[in-house]
Amino acid sequence: ETGVTQSPTHLIKTRGQQVTLRCSSQSGHNTVSWYQQALGQGPQFIFQYYREEENGRGNFPPRFSGLQFPNYSSELNVNALELDDSALYLCASSLLAGASQETQYFGPGTRLLVL
Amino acid sequence: TQLLEQSPQFLSIQEGENLTVYCNSSSVFSSLQWYRQEPGEGPVLLVTVVTGGEVKKLKRLTFQFGDARKDSSLHITAAQPGDTGLYLCAGTTSGTYKYIFGTGTRLKVLA
Repeated sequence: ETGVTQSPTHLIKTRGQQVTLRCSSQSGHNTVSWYQQALGQGPQFIFQYYREEENGRGNFPPRFSGLQFPNYSSELNVNALELDDSALYLCASSLLAGASQETQYFGPGTRLLVL
Repeated sequence: TQLLEQSPQFLSIQEGENLTVYCNSSSVFSSLQWYRQEPGEGPVLLVTVVTGGEVKKLKRLTFQFGDARKDSSLHITAAQPGDTGLYLCAGTTSGTYKYIFGTGTRLKVLA
């Protein structure tokens, strides 16, 4: 039990639709990172938020966007869904941003299927 | 582009056997982490190594960071069915926000 929760657990959407995934971080954790994990692969970094500002981004297009709120919750929004967006989406919270020994606490993920 | 390759990709062994999982890169990392992920859950951190040549032990698991900080290994002694899962390595560079995850090794330990 990491104290990080995500909702919903599963979601089915059709191509072209928009989706919002939610994450509730551990209390006191100012940093949240989002990852996409395709079936059989390791997680791929999407972006990180620190104190409600985007702190860095991986190789994902602008239709992937996020928000972080003062109450340690955050959202991942994906517009114009494509079939390849089908994956497990993980959020991870940590206390500090950019600290190489920092422990990330992962949520259980949201499994998104795009038809 | 930083990449982390893990080998083997899949491993199925009998309870009591030993195994080693490798994580290799052409890039230098300031730290490397190992995670285990079980179905329906997010990855759980097992260990962080930061010094070249560092060895850390966690019960039956031994982790080593390569001298040049480009590779790492995870050795499990006397594997048990509870060790079954996806093992992931992840590297990061000092001062950056980004963890690069490896391709994963799926381990199954048969009773």
